[in-house]
Amino acid sequence: KQEVTQIPAALSVPEGENLVLNCSFTDSAIYNLQWFRQDPGKGLTSLLLIQSSQREQTSGRLNASLDKSSGRSTLYIAASQPGDSATYLCAVPTSGTYKYIFGTGTRLKVLA
Amino acid sequence: GAGVSQSPSNKVTEKGKDVELRCDPISGHTALYWYRQRLGQGLEFLIYFQGNSAPDKSGLPSDRFSAERTGESVSTLTIQRTQQEDSAVYLCASSLGPGAQNYGYTFGSGTRLTVV
Repeated sequence: KQEVTQIPAALSVPEGENLVLNCSFTDSAIYNLQWFRQDPGKGLTSLLLIQSSQREQTSGRLNASLDKSSGRSTLYIAASQPGDSATYLCAVPTSGTYKYIFGTGTRLKVLA
Repeated sequence: GAGVSQSPSNKVTEKGKDVELRCDPISGHTALYWYRQRLGQGLEFLIYFQGNSAPDKSGLPSDRFSAERTGESVSTLTIQRTQQEDSAVYLCASSLGPGAQNYGYTFGSGTRLTVV
């Protein structure tokens, strides 16, 4: 059974810092991994989708890496800004299924 | 449409009433998913549609919950005889292909349901 864990659960950093959010999963037979952002009381916004054949994806100040063999993904945020404050979720579909299993998220606060 | 649209965005209902939540997926997306997120908790899978069929309803919490999809487009999630524990944000997502394998999900903004 796929389980997804995100560490840390919460993080508070001053503006301008580079930071890393971690996601680990127990079943490495995944097709892809997706990172989302969720603002309080809102839906989920897709940030990056990494296919299983890829090692990383970049979008602006965000870079996500994927190491299937070790069951890990990291989301790197460069030069953090107060507007980056949100909960960051990673999700993976398990092989043979169509459902994304979500981590419990990392709640990020960037202080001005 | 350009994105996944959900309505209403907020719904307050009295305990025991029925509610309908609507999801308009991205045009051409054959897969549609409903999730529930209770306050301070993670996302809970409810149901998956491929076209108009629902091959996986395993996440529906009770027989008070039902969902349908028509025209390989709009989906409606119905909760009958609402209870306070049904209060949550209901999120809909759509995906281009059968399953999330290579396409990822696009989510709507959700419907916040409050049962009083």
